[in-house]
Amino acid sequence: EADIYQTPRYLVIGTGKKITLECSQTMGHDKMYWYQQDPGMELHLIHYSYGVNSTEKGDLSSESTVSRIRTEHFPLTLESARPSHTSQYLCASSEWADRGGEQFFGPGTRLTVL
Amino acid sequence: QKEVEQNSGPLSVPEGAIASLNCTYSDRVSQSFFWYRQYSGKSPELIMSIYSNGDKEDGRFTAQLNKASQYVSLLIRDSQPSDSATYLCAVIKTSNTGKLIFGQGTTLQVKP
Repeated sequence: EADIYQTPRYLVIGTGKKITLECSQTMGHDKMYWYQQDPGMELHLIHYSYGVNSTEKGDLSSESTVSRIRTEHFPLTLESARPSHTSQYLCASSEWADRGGEQFFGPGTRLTVL
Repeated sequence: QKEVEQNSGPLSVPEGAIASLNCTYSDRVSQSFFWYRQYSGKSPELIMSIYSNGDKEDGRFTAQLNKASQYVSLLIRDSQPSDSATYLCAVIKTSNTGKLIFGQGTTLQVKP
């Protein structure tokens, strides 16, 4: 079944640790996105990719980095986690389409940095 | 002015009523419009997409687009308590291929 996956779903970690949030999709989509959302607040785009070896920063500045070595995989890395990074991180993907294409979201990773 | 604006609510309707959610956007060249539903603590779920002026119906949901007035709306007929969620309006601009711009969302409460 075509889907988009994120692991871990929940992560509690100490300050200064390096973390990688995984995102994979089996939908065959070229475009992938990372959003950050605090509880009750708006979604903010922090990274996106149009394909392999393509990554761009989003509208909200983030200390995280991303890579796109395989079409189906779009991991997000924080080299040194801080309490200000506590948030929900949502991965999404979409296909190429003249009008932009529908985006589908993974279940999210809720990150807490102590 | 935000690029996509929604009334944050909450919008409260009784069970069985029609819920009407509205969204306005600022960029006249925007061409793709989406409604997402997000339950508390969950990720957004795509409900409807609409690209042309007029109405688009899918089950109990109807999306309405008026490009001249730059608004898009979502009607939910026969509202159920399970429809209680935050509804996000999102727009793709021509010059922003694939990148969604989200409104702040409207919280809907359907009371039994």
